[in-house]
Amino acid sequence: EAEVAQSPRYKITEKSQAVAFWCDPISGHATLYWYRQILGQGPELLVQFQDESVVDDSQLPKDRFSAERLKGVDSTLKIQPAELGDSAMYLCASSVGYNYGYTFGSGTRLTVV
Amino acid sequence: EDQVTQSPEALRLQEGESSSLNCSYTVSGLRGLFWYRQDPGKGPEFLFTLYSAGEEKEKERLKATLTKKESFLHITAPKPEDSATYLCAVQPNSGGSNYKLTFGKGTLLTVNP
Repeated sequence: EAEVAQSPRYKITEKSQAVAFWCDPISGHATLYWYRQILGQGPELLVQFQDESVVDDSQLPKDRFSAERLKGVDSTLKIQPAELGDSAMYLCASSVGYNYGYTFGSGTRLTVV
Repeated sequence: EDQVTQSPEALRLQEGESSSLNCSYTVSGLRGLFWYRQDPGKGPEFLFTLYSAGEEKEKERLKATLTKKESFLHITAPKPEDSATYLCAVQPNSGGSNYKLTFGKGTLLTVNP
């Protein structure tokens, strides 16, 4: 069964350091999403790509977060500098098109100390 | 703005004790309502998509139903392995919102043997 791959699974970083997460969507899925999930809350959309273009980044804290999907396949989400409040699960998801359901990856658990 | 409210926040059942989880939503126009299951430390796993009021879908001990204002996830004779957080999400039919999923906070279900 096809999966969305994410790495690393866990990341501990110090406040003010830079951190990056990687996502490889299911082959052929044009739409890719990055969600953030704080413990005890539902996932919240950070950024949505259609192929290599950003469709929605209205909830992305652009002063410290950046995301790219250069060739329309895999994607990287970066935080610089990390803050204590960034501790959360970062989930990547992909879908065939932006009006279809998503398949999620296993996520990256970030802890900022 | 799309909103999803799930209740109860947590539910503890005995094995075999049937119950229902509720998902109330407000959306300008509903394209789909999604149910996901999430185990601790993992990404959400897709369960069902419902598209119109009156629709029902079943999978093993789970049955999801949809009205114009809410959805129910019925769990019949649950087993301990059904213990997880169940997330509800709505997808609007308006392209202006890029069809993004808006999630509720989830219901944490614990089934005791």
